[in-house]
Amino acid sequence: QKEVEQNSGPLSVPEGAIASLNCTYSDRVSQSFFWYRQYSGKSPELIMSIYSNGDKEDGRFTAQLNKASQYVSLLIRDSQPSDSATYLCAVNIDGSNYKLTFGKGTLLTVNP
Amino acid sequence: EAGVTQFPSHSVIEKGQTVTLRCDPISGHDNLYWYRRVMGKEIKFLLHFVKESKQDESGMPNNRFLAERTGGTYSTLKVQPAELEDSGVYFCASSQDLGTEAFFGQGTRLTVV
Repeated sequence: QKEVEQNSGPLSVPEGAIASLNCTYSDRVSQSFFWYRQYSGKSPELIMSIYSNGDKEDGRFTAQLNKASQYVSLLIRDSQPSDSATYLCAVNIDGSNYKLTFGKGTLLTVNP
Repeated sequence: EAGVTQFPSHSVIEKGQTVTLRCDPISGHDNLYWYRRVMGKEIKFLLHFVKESKQDESGMPNNRFLAERTGGTYSTLKVQPAELEDSGVYFCASSQDLGTEAFFGQGTRLTVV
């Protein structure tokens, strides 16, 4: 069973739309959740972290966490072509507070 | 402030050769991590240093891989002898405290032929 699962996409949205990226995880005791953005050939860049149930907003980004459903999502409002990248969901599992387990990532394309 | 830097950015070596990858973490970050992404797979944890001490090397594939962090500053990851399945992108990351955000380097793309 995969520990962190993401839809690989590609997810294609028009400019200005809301992009919704989803992630499920298998470890019920996970406490820390991160979204990284990775442009091709570049380093993963942290864009959001979330630790408690509910929504967390930062600019055009909103992370949503539901620990009961073991589900974390990332919404990107007013999507821009520059948001086109692979989005990686990462979770601390096995009670670890440092070891990240990644999903394979979702490729997002925002069309002008 | 400089981010996490890795060297080299690319390396192509023959099977059986030795390669050493280097990582310079963000200054002041005691926690340093190595991760790897092989083709078509997700990024996977290799090991974790706190200062110069290995805290967790449970993700290291086998004893052909040796990581060091002498003096608690930069780290090296040596693969000896390299095998074809070692090909992938090796990422280094650092964080100031445990459980806080980890910042990644641009990675070293290793190709073993």
